[in-house]
Amino acid sequence: QKEVEQDPGPLSVPEGAIVSLNCTYSNSAFQYFMWYRQYSRKGPELLMYTYSSGNKEDGRFTAQVDKSSKYISLFIRDSQPSDSATYLCAMRRRDDYKLSFGAGTTVTVRA
Amino acid sequence: GAGVSQSPSNKVTEKGKDVELRCDPISGHTALYWYRQSLGQGLEFLIYFQGNSAPDKSGLPSDRFSAERTGGSVSTLTIQRTQQEDSAVYLCASSPHGTGDGYTFGSGTRLTVV
Repeated sequence: QKEVEQDPGPLSVPEGAIVSLNCTYSNSAFQYFMWYRQYSRKGPELLMYTYSSGNKEDGRFTAQVDKSSKYISLFIRDSQPSDSATYLCAMRRRDDYKLSFGAGTTVTVRA
Repeated sequence: GAGVSQSPSNKVTEKGKDVELRCDPISGHTALYWYRQSLGQGLEFLIYFQGNSAPDKSGLPSDRFSAERTGGSVSTLTIQRTQQEDSAVYLCASSPHGTGDGYTFGSGTRLTVV
């Protein structure tokens, strides 16, 4: 079993829809949780960064962490065609420099 | 530089050949990482540099893989006697410190072994 599980999709939604992405993990030592966005032929770029349980909102993006369930989510409101990309969850332990990644979910927002 | 630069962006090589992949990190970033992204897989950690030393090589999949960093800057990942299973995108990232925060990724080198 992988340390971080993420449904690879693909996910196709109409413009303006809410996109819901999630990951589950098995290592209870993970403390820091991230979402990266990766456009085709580009490197991942950090989208959201959260510590421990709770919600964080940044514009159209909301990240949720539920440590008791070992489950993290990313919501994209009012999705745009420019949001079409692969979204990767990542996480790390408190004193670690290594990130553990999910497989990534490919999202297409149809105009 | 303004970002992390990797070269070449694409490399096609014959099975059994050696390849060198280059990473030029953001100026002043002391930490440098190599990850591998295979089709349908998440990023897989390969190696971590702090300055010129590599305190963590635990992710290198075999002794055919090696990496070095010189002058606390440019890093080279070398794969000897390439195999088809080495085909992947090799991503380099740098960060100001080795805390796991502030990663900036390059665009990667897409390696195809035929």
